[in-house]
This record gives sequence, C-alpha cells and structure tokens, in this order.
Amino acid sequence: AQSVSQHNHHVILSEAASLELGCNYSYGGTVNLFWYVQYPGQHLQLLLKYFSGDPLVKGIKGFEAEFIKSKFSFNLRKPSVQWSDTAEYFCAVMNTGFQKLVFGTGTRLLVSP
Amino acid sequence: GAGVSQSPRYKVAKRGQDVALRCDPISGHVSLFWYQQALGQGPEFLTYFQNEAQLDKSGLPSDRFFAERPEGSVSTLKIQRTQQEDSAVYLCASSLFNTMNTEAFFGQGTRLTVV
Repeated sequence: AQSVSQHNHHVILSEAASLELGCNYSYGGTVNLFWYVQYPGQHLQLLLKYFSGDPLVKGIKGFEAEFIKSKFSFNLRKPSVQWSDTAEYFCAVMNTGFQKLVFGTGTRLLVSP
Repeated sequence: GAGVSQSPRYKVAKRGQDVALRCDPISGHVSLFWYQQALGQGPEFLTYFQNEAQLDKSGLPSDRFFAERPEGSVSTLKIQRTQQEDSAVYLCASSLFNTMNTEAFFGQGTRLTVV
C-alpha cells in the first residue's frame, strides 16, 4: 500500500530563511502529487500539485516543489519564508486508478519574525 | 456557499453514543470524500462517493462507521456506539469531477471528542 513520509515534523525558521520540506512516497507507477497547507484555525488548502509534465511545479505564495521520480520524492521549497507561512504542511499522493489521497503526517512550520 | 461546509464543528459524545456528522459539498461537485485525522497525524481516507454511489469504503475502520449520500449532494457520516479511539477530526472534501487530475476542496472538519 502507498505510504508517504515527511521527515521533518517540526521546523523553526526566521523570516527570510529558505525552506525545504521533504516528502517521499513508497509506491512507484503513475502518481499525482500534492502539497496542502493548513493555517491555524483554517481548513486544508491546496498549495500546489503535480499531475504530469514539468517536474518543477510552482504554486501559490511563492512555493514550488520538484518531482524526482527516481527518488520517489516531491520536496517543497520556498526561497524566503514569511511569518505568515506559519502553518502545517501536508504532502499527499494519489495513485492511478484510485481517487483517495494518501497523506503524510505533516510538518509544523513556525516562522519567527 | 462558496466552500465545503461541515457541521457541527465540535461534538462531544459519551462513549457508546451514536453521532452523525454532516457535510455540504460545493454545489455541483461529483466526488465526495471523508477523511479521519487523529491528533498529530495526517488525514486518513475513510470513504468516497461519486454522486450517490459509494465506490470505495475501504478506509472505514469498523462496521460502526457508516456513510451515505442519498441524493448525490449532502453526505452524512454516522458512527454508532462511539469509542474513545474514534476521537479525531473528521474531514470532508469534494471535487468537481471523478478523475484523478481534479482538486479536492476540504471543509474545516468536525472535531469529535468521545469521553
């Protein structure tokens, strides 16, 4: 069965620092990949998604992610974080033929001003 | 409304009590999903509807859990004889189509606490 690993459970950064959050999935084949964000007290929102094509995907608020098929990875990056990026970030994978998302355990990001 | 709406937002149930959680998806969305999110974990899939048809219920943890979407719009997740391990946030999501490459929109969830 598909599983998703997010290696960093808690990350603390200062404003303007660069961010990279790791995400690896276990099962190969055709996958769709997602990063969701949950700001305090709010619902899960889609940051970005990869379905096919260019493996470097740009999302909202300056986030991007790179799909590396050989490494089963889909790491999230942002060159310069802001205090407002404080949130929990979830990586998720959807396998071909299935509609369900398989989520990682999430990474809590705290950005100090 | 503009988004997925879930009610109630919070529910406290005594162990053994039955509960019903409601989800109003975005109007016109074909697909509807239920997820369970335990404290400190990511959401875990429970069940999936395409219109009124429940196509996947592989994630329902026991026969105490039952979901329905009788008219292909509003959905209800029912948990019978609640147990403490049922305490979690229950998330509903909907998407416009039933294909892989469509975005799922999530509601704010119902936080269930079983005491």
